[in-house]
Amino acid sequence: DTGVSQDPRHKITKRGQNVTFRCDPISEHNRLYWYRQTLGQGPEFLTYFQNEAQLEKSRLLSDRFSAERPKGSFSTLEIQRTEQGDSAMYLCASEGDIAEKLFFGSGTQLSVL
Amino acid sequence: RKEVEQDPGPFNVPEGATVAFNCTYSNSASQSFFWYRQDCRKEPKLLMSVYSSGNEDGRFTAQLNRASQYISLLIRDSKLSDSATYLCVVVTNFNKFYFGSGTKLNVKP
Repeated sequence: DTGVSQDPRHKITKRGQNVTFRCDPISEHNRLYWYRQTLGQGPEFLTYFQNEAQLEKSRLLSDRFSAERPKGSFSTLEIQRTEQGDSAMYLCASEGDIAEKLFFGSGTQLSVL
Repeated sequence: RKEVEQDPGPFNVPEGATVAFNCTYSNSASQSFFWYRQDCRKEPKLLMSVYSSGNEDGRFTAQLNRASQYISLLIRDSKLSDSATYLCVVVTNFNKFYFGSGTKLNVKP
């Protein structure tokens, strides 16, 4: 499968725990995005990488959220001290250099109890 | 103010109907525009790009009005399989993709 893959598909955690999600973009894509989506809303931008550089981070993203893309390939999104309000679908997307076209992974559904 | 605003719907239409969605955007410097489709519990997928001259892809027509800062999507001869949420997407400089909250379409037999 040459698309964007995300792991895990589902994560249930207790409030206060830390969670980490992984995204593997399409291999030749330099740009990688993280979005969050709640029911009835569109995807909300969280952060964006060009290769290994994190170019932008949403003001909505608290200090409990951190993302990395250490070698410019896969990326991880970590949420520390999870809160119930963090429950959402976390979507990763990648984009090639030429076409402005986002390819999304299937997402990680996070439930914080 | 949100970057992209859409009517959430739902739009309930019979098969064969023509239906149109609009969305407005706030940043006049926005550079690129798209419609994405999202099925229930699935990831968004690109439906079509939107150009100032308008573009058509089969039963789907998209148009952009830069002066009024809105984009539209027209679906002709609706099929049951068109039932989904349609997301309006605006790209600003620095490659920031902003999504609307989506318009839900239900096509009924």
